[in-house]
Amino acid sequence: QSALTQPASVSASPGQSITISCTGGSSDVGYYNYVSWYQQHPGQVPKLMIYEVTNRPSGVSDRFSGSKSGNTASLTISGLQAEDEADYYCSSYTTSSTVVFGGGTKLTVL
Amino acid sequence: QVQLVESGGGVVQPGRSLRLSCAASGFIFSSYGMHWVRQAPGKGLEWVAVISNDGSRKYYADSVKGRFTISRDNSKNTLYLQVNSLRPEDTAVYYCAKDVSSGYYVVLWGQGTLVTVSS
Repeated sequence: QSALTQPASVSASPGQSITISCTGGSSDVGYYNYVSWYQQHPGQVPKLMIYEVTNRPSGVSDRFSGSKSGNTASLTISGLQAEDEADYYCSSYTTSSTVVFGGGTKLTVL
Repeated sequence: QVQLVESGGGVVQPGRSLRLSCAASGFIFSSYGMHWVRQAPGKGLEWVAVISNDGSRKYYADSVKGRFTISRDNSKNTLYLQVNSLRPEDTAVYYCAKDVSSGYYVVLWGQGTLVTVSS
């Protein structure tokens, strides 16, 4: 049950776009389309932003999008805003019927 | 509205036990898988365990297998986590979380309960 691999940090200026990668293996990200992404602001509870690789829950801005290629999933945020500054976590269902999270990525909006 | 309220956290000595509870409301509790996820201070999210809607299937992270037990009482709309043989590295906020369906991913989180393991 190794954690999914995410970059520790990314940064960009307002209005720009960023992509956060999430690399797993053939028993999790590469096997299922049950990849989800969560946003967590300091001191707050995580919030679901993307589910099943590409889907946005109701109320989540369409500036957030997800994709997957092989064993790597990605979260893209376009038109960065100050409120997007947060920690982002990916997760995946696994062939062992467990769930695994990524180590998290701190997004800084410069 | 949908709500998950955890309780049972606190300060406990290494080797001791606690039972965490999560009271669910606003949805048909017995229809959904439920998770426990923890977050150590200043660290990332770590998935702990999941239980199926009827309690018949349970899966655990390797780091807690054999020490933690997830259970539920659908008549009380309550999820539990029995945590035994606690270690300092178990210090974390423990979140109760609702699954989309059968254990695939979390769609809703409780506010969490802090467990501190310290002598």
